[in-house]
Amino acid sequence: KQEVTQIPAALSVPEGENLVLNCSFTDSAIYNLQWFRQDPGKGLTSLLLIQSSQREQTSGRLNASLDKSSGRSTLYIAASQPGDSATYLCAVTSGSRLTFGEGTQLTVNP
Amino acid sequence: ETGVTQTPRHLVMGMTNKKSLKCEQHLGHNAMYWYKQSAKKPLELMFVYNFKEQTENNSVPSRFSPECPNSSHLFLHLHTLQPEDSALYLCASSQETSGSYNEQFFGPGTRLTVL
Repeated sequence: KQEVTQIPAALSVPEGENLVLNCSFTDSAIYNLQWFRQDPGKGLTSLLLIQSSQREQTSGRLNASLDKSSGRSTLYIAASQPGDSATYLCAVTSGSRLTFGEGTQLTVNP
Repeated sequence: ETGVTQTPRHLVMGMTNKKSLKCEQHLGHNAMYWYKQSAKKPLELMFVYNFKEQTENNSVPSRFSPECPNSSHLFLHLHTLQPEDSALYLCASSQETSGSYNEQFFGPGTRLTVL
């Protein structure tokens, strides 16, 4: 059974700092990995989708990497802003099923 | 806006009540999903529908009853719930092709509180 772990569970940083969120998964037989953002009481917004054959994806200030062999992914956020404050969820896919981690709650202080 | 809407956004109900959650997608997708998000726990997949047919029931108690009348609408009927069923219920949709993953688009969720 696939298990996804995210570290840290919570992170508080000052505005402008670069930061890294970590995700690990137990079964490397995945199709792809996806990072989502969730604002309080809201649904999920997809940030980046990395296919299993890819090593990284970039969108603006966000960069996600994937190392299937070690079962790890990182989400790098450059020059963080207060608007980045949210919970970030990592999910891996096997077939049509998404398995989620518990998320990292990020607070960026002005 | 993701193209997936959910109503109501908030619901408070007693353990003896019967209520329904509604999800509608405007993306032309043919697969729809119900997820449960409890405090301090990962999102849990509850049900999957492809072309109106239920293809997955993730050992969900029978007090949760899904209904998918067409590819655009999905309901979750609730009856005799327990306080531990209080959670955020998220609906998602995707363009489903057999055995492969297509990006899922999520609705805003219904925050359910069972008293």
